[in-house]
Amino acid sequence: DSGVTQTPKHLITATGQRVTLRCSPRSGDLSVYWYQQSLDQGLQFLIQYYNGEERAKGNILERFSAQQFPDLHSELNLSSLELGDSALYFCASSVGVGTQYFGPGTRLTVL
Amino acid sequence: DQQVKQNSPSLSVQEGRISILNCDYTNSMFDYFLWYKKYPAEGPTFLISISSIKDKNEDGRFTVFLNKSAKHLSLHIVPSQPGDSAVYFCAANPGGSQGNLIFGKGTKLSVKP
Repeated sequence: DSGVTQTPKHLITATGQRVTLRCSPRSGDLSVYWYQQSLDQGLQFLIQYYNGEERAKGNILERFSAQQFPDLHSELNLSSLELGDSALYFCASSVGVGTQYFGPGTRLTVL
Repeated sequence: DQQVKQNSPSLSVQEGRISILNCDYTNSMFDYFLWYKKYPAEGPTFLISISSIKDKNEDGRFTVFLNKSAKHLSLHIVPSQPGDSAVYFCAANPGGSQGNLIFGKGTKLSVKP
């Protein structure tokens, strides 16, 4: 158990809908990262937050947004969903810029 | 263009033998490198890391070697055990204040009893 929790574990929704994925980092970790893993792909970095502020952006679509709250949990919002958004979404946390510890992931299926 | 490449999608090894997983990268500015192991339906689990200023790091059965001139790193698992069967991801940290990792596509290791 990495100490990073993600909910929900599975999410099935329809095209055009909006969903919210939630992540709680390990106790003491200030950085939260979001990654997307599509079929047969490595993990693609989406966005990083550090202590409530956006720190870095990767290949994140404009339809996607994220935030980190004062209690350091983070939410990833995905809107106007398309079939191609079906993937595993992982959250990771670290103390600062260091080894990242991953949550179990949320499997999103868009029908 | 992939900055971190794992050119072998799969590897099969006999229990007790050595497993060698390889990774190549293109950016000489990468700060440090990590290996993660992933079982189905679970998140990646951190295994071992190495700083760009070192050429070897060892932790139990796992050793990572870094060859900066060749922009190549490898993970050695000795001896391999059936429980090591998983997908192994190589990742690189670009350095600076941004901590995001750049991942390879992974190598699926199968350790046969």
